[in-house]
Amino acid sequence: GENVEQHPSTLSVQEGDSAVIKCTYSDSASNYFPWYKQELGKRPQLIIDIRSNVGEKKDQRIAVTLNKTAKHFSLHITETQPEDSAVYFCAASNWSNDYKLSFGAGTTVTVRA
Amino acid sequence: GAGVSQSPSNKVTEKGKDVELRCDPISGHTALYWYRQSLGQGLEFLIYFQGNSAPDKSGLPSDRFSAERTGGSVSTLTIQRTQQEDSAVYLCASSLVGGRDFYNEQFFGPGTRLTVL
Repeated sequence: GENVEQHPSTLSVQEGDSAVIKCTYSDSASNYFPWYKQELGKRPQLIIDIRSNVGEKKDQRIAVTLNKTAKHFSLHITETQPEDSAVYFCAASNWSNDYKLSFGAGTTVTVRA
Repeated sequence: GAGVSQSPSNKVTEKGKDVELRCDPISGHTALYWYRQSLGQGLEFLIYFQGNSAPDKSGLPSDRFSAERTGGSVSTLTIQRTQQEDSAVYLCASSLVGGRDFYNEQFFGPGTRLTVL
């Protein structure tokens, strides 16, 4: 099955700086890569996703890049704000086959004011 | 519209007792997933239902865990003879799947926090 590894496990950044989280996956057939944000005590929510037919996607201050050859994808958050503090999970799936997501272990991001 | 709901929100039980956790998915969503999240850990896949297909039970940690989905809607996760290591937040998610253009956004419920004493 798919194995997703996520790094770092914790990340502390100064407000206004950028944060980068990296994930690798094992199954070359995976073609859908979402990122979920989970604030303390709340449910995970999708913040951005990317499909394997594109290399980069951006939505305001967040962007995701995908390198299919190397089987890794990254989340970039620019101009970080205190409300960006949360746990971020990457995931991968082959949605042509089934719709099960394999999640990374999560990254706890703390934005220091 | 209404999101995914779960009940109870908190459950405290004694070791050895059985528990049932309920999930109400978003209406019309054909796929339903159960995950377990231990304190400070990631999301561990447990089981996945898609339409009328046989469920994918590959993530269930032991035969004490089972789940069913009645009428393609509500799902119940049952844990028999609970152990202390079963203590975790159990999250349910649902998604609308079908066709090449539907991406797999999973909408999560608020979770049930299970504590086994």
